[in-house]
Amino acid sequence: AQSVTQPDIHITVSEGASLELRCNYSYGATPYLFWYVQSPGQGLQLLLKYFSGDTLVQGIKGFEAEFKRSQSSFNLRKPSVHWSDAAEYFCAVGAKAAGNKLTFGGGTRVLVKP
Amino acid sequence: GAVVSQHPSWVICKSGTSVKIECRSLDFQATTMFWYRQFPKQSLMLMATSNEGSKATYEQGVEKDKFLINHASLTLSTLTVTSAHPEDSSFYICSARGVLAGAPNEQFFGPGTRLTVL
Repeated sequence: AQSVTQPDIHITVSEGASLELRCNYSYGATPYLFWYVQSPGQGLQLLLKYFSGDTLVQGIKGFEAEFKRSQSSFNLRKPSVHWSDAAEYFCAVGAKAAGNKLTFGGGTRVLVKP
Repeated sequence: GAVVSQHPSWVICKSGTSVKIECRSLDFQATTMFWYRQFPKQSLMLMATSNEGSKATYEQGVEKDKFLINHASLTLSTLTVTSAHPEDSSFYICSARGVLAGAPNEQFFGPGTRLTVL
């Protein structure tokens, strides 16, 4: 079975500072990896995804993530956060062998200080 | 492209009544739809997977008689919460996966439905 861990429940960053959100997964084969962002009371917006190929993935809103197989990680980064980046971020893992079902991490809430 | 809608966006009902939530893929055919539940300040938990024209597959611990899922067409799936009780109050989110060039393994999420049972 696949699983996802997001070790940080909350992260507070100053506007303009860099941000890194951690994600570790457990799955026997190469997974599909996703990062989503959710604003309060809203659905999920896909930030980026990894299926194969280049392990550094560029996404929307200036986000990027790096797949590291040796560490079973898929950390999300942004060089300079904006106040509008305050939201809940979810890492998810899927696998074709599992019918493309997604398993979500617990989420990381990002607060941005002015 | 790849837009998924849900209706209603929020609903309040009395305990013991049934509530139906619709999930539609607006610009693609969804061969598979997924239903998730999200409690406040928690992550999304998959409830069930439905393929068009066949019975839904429920995750362990999800009561199939309480959460009825119908995926009658390639663009519509419905979730009916039967005899709803306050503990069923949650945010329900659907997603859809179809045969889309460039996104064969991606799920597209609806905006969610907030259910409050009084």
